[in-house]
Amino acid sequence: GAVVSQHPSRVICKSGTSVKIECRSLDFQATTMFWYRQFPKQSLMLMATSNEGSKATYEQGVEKDKFLINHASLTLSTLTVTSAHPEDSSFYICSAPGPSAGYTFGSGTRLTVV
Amino acid sequence: QQQVKQSPQSLIVQKGGIPIINCAYENTAFDYFPWYQQFPGKGPALLIAIRPDVSEKKEGRFTISFNKSAKQFSLHIMDSQPGDSATYFCAAGGSQGNLIFGKGTKLSVKP
Repeated sequence: GAVVSQHPSRVICKSGTSVKIECRSLDFQATTMFWYRQFPKQSLMLMATSNEGSKATYEQGVEKDKFLINHASLTLSTLTVTSAHPEDSSFYICSAPGPSAGYTFGSGTRLTVV
Repeated sequence: QQQVKQSPQSLIVQKGGIPIINCAYENTAFDYFPWYQQFPGKGPALLIAIRPDVSEKKEGRFTISFNKSAKQFSLHIMDSQPGDSATYFCAAGGSQGNLIFGKGTKLSVKP
């Protein structure tokens, strides 16, 4: 089936630094990638939608200059958390519409900012 | 109109029981209703999904019941096992592509 590979699975960074998260569609082309954030014991909240070759669309309240999204190819989308702060600590998950009309999720990235 | 309401928030059943989780949506444009299972520290994994043209779908021990007129759908887990203990999310999607998730139900299946 369709697989989205997400890396890293876990990252700890210092406050003020930037962290890049990658999501790759391994056996299908993903023209669209959805980026979600999940705080502990809460649901997944859509942050932004990335589209290959064009600018990402951000949800209300999500700072586009802080969460940089790049979707340079049909198989790779990246999310960079810039100038990370402890309140950015969360579980970040990507998802792409799969080839069979479903959605495939990455395994998630646990970001801890200290 | 974009909300998906999920209940209960938590659920405890004995092994072999049939937990039922319910979801309600508002936007009639939604046409894809999946259920996801999530274990701690992992991303959500698709369990089963349904389209509005059918009222029920069964895959293994998991069944979705769908009521289009009431804009409700539910997940039933037959013969539940301790390994089913996880958080379950319902979601709804439409032509715009992204999924709207319910708040989740934490299921505990006692041995």
